[in-house]
Amino acid sequence: GEDVEQSLFLSVREGDSSVINCTYTDSSSTYLYWYKQEPGAGLQLLTYIFSNMDMKQDQRLTVLLNKKDKHLSLRIADTQTGDSAIYFCAERGSNYQLIWGAGTKLIIKP
Amino acid sequence: DTAVSQTPKYLVTQMGNDKSIKCEQNLGHDTMYWYKQDSKKFLKIMFSYNNKELIINETVPNRFSPKSPDKAHLNLHINSLELGDSAVYFCASSQGESEKLFFGSGTQLSVL
Repeated sequence: GEDVEQSLFLSVREGDSSVINCTYTDSSSTYLYWYKQEPGAGLQLLTYIFSNMDMKQDQRLTVLLNKKDKHLSLRIADTQTGDSAIYFCAERGSNYQLIWGAGTKLIIKP
Repeated sequence: DTAVSQTPKYLVTQMGNDKSIKCEQNLGHDTMYWYKQDSKKFLKIMFSYNNKELIINETVPNRFSPKSPDKAHLNLHINSLELGDSAVYFCASSQGESEKLFFGSGTQLSVL
């Protein structure tokens, strides 16, 4: 069945770049999303990319999509303490339902 | 103005009780959802309603019953609560089934 995988933790130093990776299985995905969940809060849409794009940049955020390898990444430049959160990758599958990854907890070291 | 609001934020109750969680969205969206997030942060969809009609009903015990009185509201009623129901429940909404989701801030349910 359809699946989305991401590593559970990522630790980076403040000021460095963070790269959060995600792999998916549904080759007919239309949209792929990154959601951010801060402690005690709901998920917020961070950014998304349409499946016919390779890259999308939005200020400190860069999303890269490799359709051949079914690999999605989120790069956060100049990581700040406010970026501490859980980042969820999700794909819009062929039946329009969202398939979620397990979330990557981003830990910022001073 | 809160876009998707759910109440209560915290709910502590005894096993066997019946409880409800309410959700309202003021975004004019036509699709609403209930998600369950467990202690490991895994997110699982429970229900989806489009224009007050059920369109997704994942494998959820029938003790859980969603009710949508109108497009802006999707409440979740849980009968005979069990220890395993302890989790954070999120309401969400979208315009259409293929659009991005807006989430409420969650209801942390603790069953003792």
